[in-house]
Amino acid sequence: RKEVEQDPGPFNVPEGATVAFNCTYSNSASQSFFWYRQDCRKEPKLLMSVYSSGNEDGRFTAQLNRASQYISLLIRDSKLSDSATYLCAALASGTYKYIFGTGTRLKVLA
Amino acid sequence: NAGVTQTPKFRVLKTGQSMTLLCAQDMNHEYMYWYRQDPGMGLRLIHYSVGEGTTAKGEVPDGYNVSRLKKQNFLLGLESAAPSQTSVYFCASRPGLAYINEQFFGPGTRLTVL
Repeated sequence: RKEVEQDPGPFNVPEGATVAFNCTYSNSASQSFFWYRQDCRKEPKLLMSVYSSGNEDGRFTAQLNRASQYISLLIRDSKLSDSATYLCAALASGTYKYIFGTGTRLKVLA
Repeated sequence: NAGVTQTPKFRVLKTGQSMTLLCAQDMNHEYMYWYRQDPGMGLRLIHYSVGEGTTAKGEVPDGYNVSRLKKQNFLLGLESAAPSQTSVYFCASRPGLAYINEQFFGPGTRLTVL
């Protein structure tokens, strides 16, 4: 089992829809979590950090469920420009190594 | 600030050739990382450094060497390139402060080994 797992998708949603992705992690020592957005052939860019129960930034909400060991990313009112791959990453306490999932691809359709 | 830069952006090598990828950051970050990204595999950590003069192995270190002689630079070397090393290589850095865990990525180097 991979340490960080994501559904690869693609998730095809119409503009204006709400979409949610989950990311599960197996290392219970993971303390910090991150959602990155990656456009085709570009570098990952940080979207949100999640250290406690959750975080919200505009249309984006991230939630952490430690009991079930997953984090989620909710995107409301999807825009065409939200089309990208979303990577989640976990950082275990006391380590410097980040473990990335393989990413979830989102396509927002007009 | 340029952030994290990578040189070169593209390279084609023949099997057995060697090369060095350069990562530079101007944010005075302590930690630096080299990843490779392959289709369906996500980002995999090759080597990392927690400070000038230090390096450590990541998840997939075989076939690569690194050096961090200056704080702002992190070099990734391929001594004898193999087709399996065809990939996109990303460098990242982050501050050394414990409460700032976000990584900042460079634009990537696309390497093809024939």
